[in-house]
This record gives sequence, structure tokens and C-alpha cells, in this order.
Amino acid sequence: QQQVKQSPQSLIVQKGGISIINCAYENTAFDYFPWYQQFPGKGPALLIAIRPDVSEKKEGRFTISFNKSAKQFSLHIMDSQPGDSATYFCAARRYSTLTFGKGTMLLVSP
Amino acid sequence: ETGVTQSPTHLIKTRGQQVTLRCSSQSGHNTVSWYQQALGQGPQFIFQYYREEENGRGNFPPRFSGLQFPNYSSELNVNALELDDSALYLCASSPGQGNEQFFGPGTRLTVL
Repeated sequence: QQQVKQSPQSLIVQKGGISIINCAYENTAFDYFPWYQQFPGKGPALLIAIRPDVSEKKEGRFTISFNKSAKQFSLHIMDSQPGDSATYFCAARRYSTLTFGKGTMLLVSP
Repeated sequence: ETGVTQSPTHLIKTRGQQVTLRCSSQSGHNTVSWYQQALGQGPQFIFQYYREEENGRGNFPPRFSGLQFPNYSSELNVNALELDDSALYLCASSPGQGNEQFFGPGTRLTVL
């Protein structure tokens, strides 16, 4: 049973555009929702994270929107750049355990 | 400050063999988690160690085992390797349970 569902699987966005990745979760016991960025050959790196008592968090060009009633959250990348091309994972944490989505491969075309 | 390091970078084994992967946690971090990332998938939680004790385990068989040492470095051992064990194995450390996890670069294991 997949507890965190992520879409789309892949995404192509033009430079300067907005990239949007969506995630949905099932377990209401999750208490922390991070997004990770992973480049080929590297481990995931924390991008931005949110707690369920907050509906939106913004850090630079990256924004998380969180809808607790719908059990959904999304990552928005504003002014997308070619350097943002990577795989993005949403995750949800219960106790100390992270459950990841399957990832979204983002390609930002020049 | 040194981040999380893992060794070796790559490893090739044959089915039925045993393997040991190593992780050095970030300075000041006493909690280490291990994840398996199959190709094209998100990382899956294997287990976590906190102060040398196993503190949570995912849906992995007993042939996956681990250790944490007094300096908080950790080992992941996999016995009786199967083809499906081929994956990137990630180690993450954190300054205590429930805190942010910082990932290492991973060890790429190929089982032939």
C-alpha cells in the first residue's frame, strides 16, 4: 500500500515557467512533510518542509501549499531554471520514519 | 563540518553473497537511518538506529541487519543477496529522533 502518492511522474517546463508537483497522503498521523531534490549520483537534499498546522510556506522560489482536509500538498517552483532539473520527492514523516513518494523527474528547458 | 559519508561508492556482488555497507554520520548526529532506493523509485525505509539501538524497522526481511557504533557510525549488512537487492542504499543522519535527516551520497549495489 503506497501511503504517499506523487504526480506527475515527469514534467517538462520552459525556463521561467512554474513547475507544480502534487502529493497525496493517507495516514493522518504524519506530522511533517518535506520535499527533497535529488541529482543523478547524489543523495536526496532537503529543499523545503512544512508542518500540517500551516497552509503555505515559501522559501525563495519554492513554495509548499498544504491542504490538511484533502490530505494533499504540493510544491511550486517559480521562475524555473535549467539548474532546477532534477528528481523531486515528497515525503511524510511519522515518528522518525520518512515515507517517500515515487518521485517526479523535472526537466527545465532553456 | 563534514556531512554524511558512505562507503563504498559502488559494489558488485553475486546472488547468495553477503555485503556490508558503511556510513559515517554528520558531526553531532546520534541517529542514523538506512533507506533502499530502487531505480526510478523513492527511498524506502529499512531501519533506524538511535544510540546504538535499533529504533524502528520498515518492511524488510531479517537478512537486512545493522549496527551502530559508539561514534554513531553505522553498518548495513545484507545476507543471502537476491537480484532484487540491486539498488542505491542511502544513509541519513539526524541530531536526534524526529529531527531533520541529512542524506549521504549512497552506495550503488549491483547483484548479478
